[in-house]
Amino acid sequence: GAVVSQHPSWVICKSGTSVKIECRSLDFQATTMFWYRQFPKQSLMLMATSNEGSKATYEQGVEKDKFLINHASLTLSTLTVTSAHPEDSSFYICSATTSGVVDEQFFGPGTRLTVL
Amino acid sequence: GDSVTQMEGPVTLSEEAFLTINCTYTATGYPSLFWYVQYPGEGLQLLLKATKADDKGSNKGFEATYRKETTSFHLEKGSVQVSDSAVYFCALSPGSSNTGKLIFGQGTTLQVKP
Repeated sequence: GAVVSQHPSWVICKSGTSVKIECRSLDFQATTMFWYRQFPKQSLMLMATSNEGSKATYEQGVEKDKFLINHASLTLSTLTVTSAHPEDSSFYICSATTSGVVDEQFFGPGTRLTVL
Repeated sequence: GDSVTQMEGPVTLSEEAFLTINCTYTATGYPSLFWYVQYPGEGLQLLLKATKADDKGSNKGFEATYRKETTSFHLEKGSVQVSDSAVYFCALSPGSSNTGKLIFGQGTTLQVKP
């Protein structure tokens, strides 16, 4: 099956620094990637939709200047958390799709971010 | 807005027990409904889906029926195995959306003991 990887799997950083999370589709070309955020014992919340070669579409309430998304190629999307603060600590999950059909989304294993 | 509510976990069962994980939703229009499973250390995987009322999705012994009258999509399995231990997410795709957006429930952890 289609595989999506995320790197790093976990990261700890100091408050005020920026952190980049990578999402890669390993064996298929992803025209669309999604970024989700998950708090403990809560739902995955969609943050943004990223289409290759164009600007990401952010969900209401998500700060686009804080969560920078780049989808520069058909196999890679990055999420950069800028000037991270402890409240940004969370589990970030990406998914990728080739067709835009929702049940053909393939999910990465997630990245645990802890901001001290 | 659209939302999904799942029963809280964790759910702990003995092997071969019957499983039900409740899921209800709120949505306008005609959403599609999904169950995803996340095994430890892995990404979410689609388990089953239903796209219209009264449809039954099934896979690997799991079943769920799209009940519009009760706005529910409960997950069931007749006899669970230790290997079914995972986190299960109910999700919907809004009927008006063709963008691939998914709205998830909070997830239910299932632990099956030998």
